[in-house]
Amino acid sequence: ILNVEQSPQSLHVQEGDSTNFTCSFPSSNFYALHWYRWETAKSPEALFVMTLNGDEKKKGRISATLNTKEGYSYLYIKGSQPEDSATYLCAFINAGNNRKLIWGLGTSLAVNP
Amino acid sequence: DTEVTQTPKHLVMGMTNKKSLKCEQHMGHRAMYWYKQKAKKPPELMFVYSYEKLSINESVPSRFSPECPNSSLLNLHLHALQPEDSALYLCASSQDMASQYNSPLHFGNGTRLTVT
Repeated sequence: ILNVEQSPQSLHVQEGDSTNFTCSFPSSNFYALHWYRWETAKSPEALFVMTLNGDEKKKGRISATLNTKEGYSYLYIKGSQPEDSATYLCAFINAGNNRKLIWGLGTSLAVNP
Repeated sequence: DTEVTQTPKHLVMGMTNKKSLKCEQHMGHRAMYWYKQKAKKPPELMFVYSYEKLSINESVPSRFSPECPNSSLLNLHLHALQPEDSALYLCASSQDMASQYNSPLHFGNGTRLTVT
């Protein structure tokens, strides 16, 4: 059974704080990892698609790193703003013929002004 | 604004009702998906249509009946649902089935379904 875990489950930070959270996935049979940002009452919005070990991607104040050998990805938010409040989901895709997106439960981030 | 539009936003239905959820995209995507998401659980894939044909049915009960009338539209027909079917139903699309792994899915805002 392929398992994807995200930690922490929820996080409260003050505006201006930098924060990070983790997506852990099976280190064998890796194909890709997706990060999504999901605000309440909106659609999940893609942040990053990561495919190579050592990848680092950046979008504004948000960046992500990937370590496929040890099976984790970090998402960093620099100088959190209230509008960053959302659930951050990762989805692991396994290699092979029977490819699937396996979703984590998400990290719920609340940024207090 | 999302490029995948779902209607209605909210739906309350009784266990004997028949209703439909609708999803529309005009990005020229040829793969469309229905996901179900319950609170504190990850999204759960239900159906995948590829070039208007049903490609994947993840052992979904027959009280859920998908339909893809054309390349832009995806429906989910609901009949004789149970209270435990109450959830957020998300539609998504991608260029084609293979590209969902290399490129992100485009999601709608979802329909919040309550079965009474």
